[in-house]
Amino acid sequence: NAGVTQTPKFQVLKTGQSMTLQCAQDMNHNSMYWYRQDPGMGLRLIYYSASEGTTDKGEVPNGYNVSRLNKREFSLRLESAAPSQTSVYFCASSGQGAREQYFGPGTRLTVT
Amino acid sequence: EDQVTQSPEALRLQEGESSSLNCSYTVSGLRGLFWYRQDPGKGPEFLFTLYSAGEEKEKERLKATLTKKESFLHITAPKPEDSATYLCAVQAPRNDYKLSFGAGTTVTVRA
Repeated sequence: NAGVTQTPKFQVLKTGQSMTLQCAQDMNHNSMYWYRQDPGMGLRLIYYSASEGTTDKGEVPNGYNVSRLNKREFSLRLESAAPSQTSVYFCASSGQGAREQYFGPGTRLTVT
Repeated sequence: EDQVTQSPEALRLQEGESSSLNCSYTVSGLRGLFWYRQDPGKGPEFLFTLYSAGEEKEKERLKATLTKKESFLHITAPKPEDSATYLCAVQAPRNDYKLSFGAGTTVTVRA
């Protein structure tokens, strides 16, 4: 079992460029999440998908879109990257509600 | 709004020197408090869930406790491999899927 995988691991974008972060889980979990982590701040929820076919906004959704492609995959898209989106992005999944969440290794994104 | 405050921000310990980390929270109707461990360059790893005041959970040298306003993570006789950032989070009372995380406590254990 790979658990939660994320691609890419590192990415550098110029302001205004777009990109999609990919996430997949092999634990047959219903719920998936996207977080960002910035120095000195806790993890902040961007979007989540309670189950296949549903997505909802989290704490900081502006500038992002998501797609729950199927039960395994949940992608995060930046349509027009801004320097404020420089961060480390984590995908997570859980079987039931927000309880025990399993995190991926993260994507370190720099927007110049 | 749910708030989670962790202290101290950083903790440097000698191997074998026991200590405690604090997580204070303000949430109406706690439904669950979670502790995670995060190693540098990696994603958080789940440690414990606590649901009600008085509850305790243990795993190796770690013990988590919960009161009505805060949680403590006690590290007994730490080893260098316990060095990590420890994150605390609370579950939102009206949403099963949202967690509010604290900024974390970075623990460094010297041999």
